[in-house]
Amino acid sequence: NAGVTQTPKFRVLKTGQSMTLLCAQDMNHEYMYWYRQDPGMGLRLIHYSVGEGTTAKGEVPDGYNVSRLKKQNFLLGLESAAPSQTSVYFCASSYMGQEQYFGPGTRLTVT
Amino acid sequence: AQSVSQHNHHVILSEAASLELGCNYSYGGTVNLFWYVQYPGQHLQLLLKYFSGDPLVKGIKGFEAEFIKSKFSFNLRKPSVQWSDTAEYFCAVKGGAGNMLTFGGGTRLMVKP
Repeated sequence: NAGVTQTPKFRVLKTGQSMTLLCAQDMNHEYMYWYRQDPGMGLRLIHYSVGEGTTAKGEVPDGYNVSRLKKQNFLLGLESAAPSQTSVYFCASSYMGQEQYFGPGTRLTVT
Repeated sequence: AQSVSQHNHHVILSEAASLELGCNYSYGGTVNLFWYVQYPGQHLQLLLKYFSGDPLVKGIKGFEAEFIKSKFSFNLRKPSVQWSDTAEYFCAVKGGAGNMLTFGGGTRLMVKP
């Protein structure tokens, strides 16, 4: 039982490049979330999903897109990376919105 | 919209000292509150949670928190900290669309041996 896993762990992008972050969970959770963590600001919700095929915007969705084609996977895309998107990205999942379990994070640097 | 404030950004303690980290929240619905801990280089782990019932909640590693509804507070406490408690601590309230978590800015705790 791996819990929540994230790929990749680290990535450096140039401004304007695109990339996709993958989150996978093996707990059969309905709800999945993407957060970004910035110093002094805690974690802020980017997008979330309450089930396969559904997604919704969180607190800071601009510049990001998501997809939930399979229940166990939640993808976060950056179409045109900007330096302001330099951050640590965490994925989380929960059973019907209860306690959230977090992945190990992806450290992204945009130069 | 809900919000969470953690007033202590950095705390430095010596081993065996007592710890209290403040957390105040704003939310109009049924309150579910959490404390998460993030050890250096690791992901967030749940310390404890409050959903209902006894307002004094005990968590892992000797931590506890008290929910005081009249003060909109959920402070984290530990009677005697250890060097291994060095970490960043986040308070969060659950609510709103998708049962999202709203986090405070975090408190970075350093325990000197």
